[in-house]
Amino acid sequence: EAEVAQSPRYKITEKSQAVAFWCDPISGHATLYWYRQILGQGPELLVQFQDESVVDDSQLPKDRFSAERLKGVDSTLKIQPAELGDSAMYLCASSPIRATYEQYFGPGTRLTVT
Amino acid sequence: TQLLEQSPQFLSIQEGENLTVYCNSSSVFSSLQWYRQEPGEGPVLLVTVVTGGEVKKLKRLTFQFGDARKDSSLHITAAQPGDTGLYLCAGARGSQGNLIFGKGTKLSVKP
Repeated sequence: EAEVAQSPRYKITEKSQAVAFWCDPISGHATLYWYRQILGQGPELLVQFQDESVVDDSQLPKDRFSAERLKGVDSTLKIQPAELGDSAMYLCASSPIRATYEQYFGPGTRLTVT
Repeated sequence: TQLLEQSPQFLSIQEGENLTVYCNSSSVFSSLQWYRQEPGEGPVLLVTVVTGGEVKKLKRLTFQFGDARKDSSLHITAAQPGDTGLYLCAGARGSQGNLIFGKGTKLSVKP
């Protein structure tokens, strides 16, 4: 069964350092999402791509976060510089058709900023 | 303001018991999804409901979407330890597929 791939699974970094996460969606899925999930909370959308275009990045802290999906397939989320409050699970999800709302999540990257 | 309120926040029961968790909102959603998430993993989609009043069954799990499409419930019959996890509801609004997640119900089923 096709799955969303994410790497790394775990990342520990010091504050003020740069960190990057990678996501490979299910093949053929045009829409890709990045979420942040703080412990004890539900996921919150950071950015949504349709193919290579950003559809929604209204909740992305653009002073330190950036996301790209250059060829409309895999995607990278970067944080520079990392802050203590960025410690969270970063989840990537994809969906096959924009309007189905059925999103399939990867295993996530657990980020700890020290 | 939390758009989707889930209750209870925590639930600890014995194997074999029945339970219901709730997902409520003052907003109308075009569809609602239920996910289960295990520690250190991403959420796994269980079901999508789209029609007011819709009931869907997945083995021992029964999902219902409210008539007004503002609320939903998940009922588990004869809970098993394998049902342990965080149950998240997520509502979709608009045409872009964005989901609003609740904070989840953390279920623990003891053998």
